[in-house]
Amino acid sequence: SQTIHQWPATLVQPVGSPLSLECTVEGTSNPNLYWYRQAAGRGLQLLFYSVGIGQISSEVPQNLSASRPQDRQFILSSKKLLLSDSGFYLCAWSVRRASYNEQFFGPGTRLTVL
Amino acid sequence: TQLLEQSPQFLSIQEGENLTVYCNSSSVFSSLQWYRQEPGEGPVLLVTVVTGGEVKKLKRLTFQFGDARKDSSLHITAAQTGDTGLYLCAGWQVSGTYKYIFGTGTRLKVLA
Repeated sequence: SQTIHQWPATLVQPVGSPLSLECTVEGTSNPNLYWYRQAAGRGLQLLFYSVGIGQISSEVPQNLSASRPQDRQFILSSKKLLLSDSGFYLCAWSVRRASYNEQFFGPGTRLTVL
Repeated sequence: TQLLEQSPQFLSIQEGENLTVYCNSSSVFSSLQWYRQEPGEGPVLLVTVVTGGEVKKLKRLTFQFGDARKDSSLHITAAQTGDTGLYLCAGWQVSGTYKYIFGTGTRLKVLA
């Protein structure tokens, strides 16, 4: 069966510090991978998605970046965090070229920027 | 512009009551998914509806896709405290932005 891992689970960082959030998927190959941010109790905002190694599409211009160094690894980074970067970050995967874009989510990372 | 509007935004009901959550858009979707999310966790996929007019049942949950594939509803019969959570619809647009988007969410609280 497939599983998706995210770490860390929670993170408190000062403004201006760097960020690295990691996501890995097990039990599937060539997945589509996604990074979302969620404001408190609301819908999801897509930040980045990837259809393959080194292929990243950005949905929202901001000080965040993403990389996919391996097929089942997706990393969200920032060189300098802003207060507005606080939120709940979710990684998800879906089957590539599937008929329906059913997505499967990791447990999330709660980021607080102080 | 939010392309998938959910209503109501918040809902607090007593255990045993019935409820319906709506997901509406002016765009057509190839399919719609419904997810449930509990606090501090990632959303969990509940169901996918594909065909206009389709009805799917998952125990006490009934999902319907609109005939024109622009809207969907989730009906819960005899709600239980375990149904508490954030319900999200999502789908792949076949017009407009051609993107996979999430709805605004409905936060449900079922009281014992």
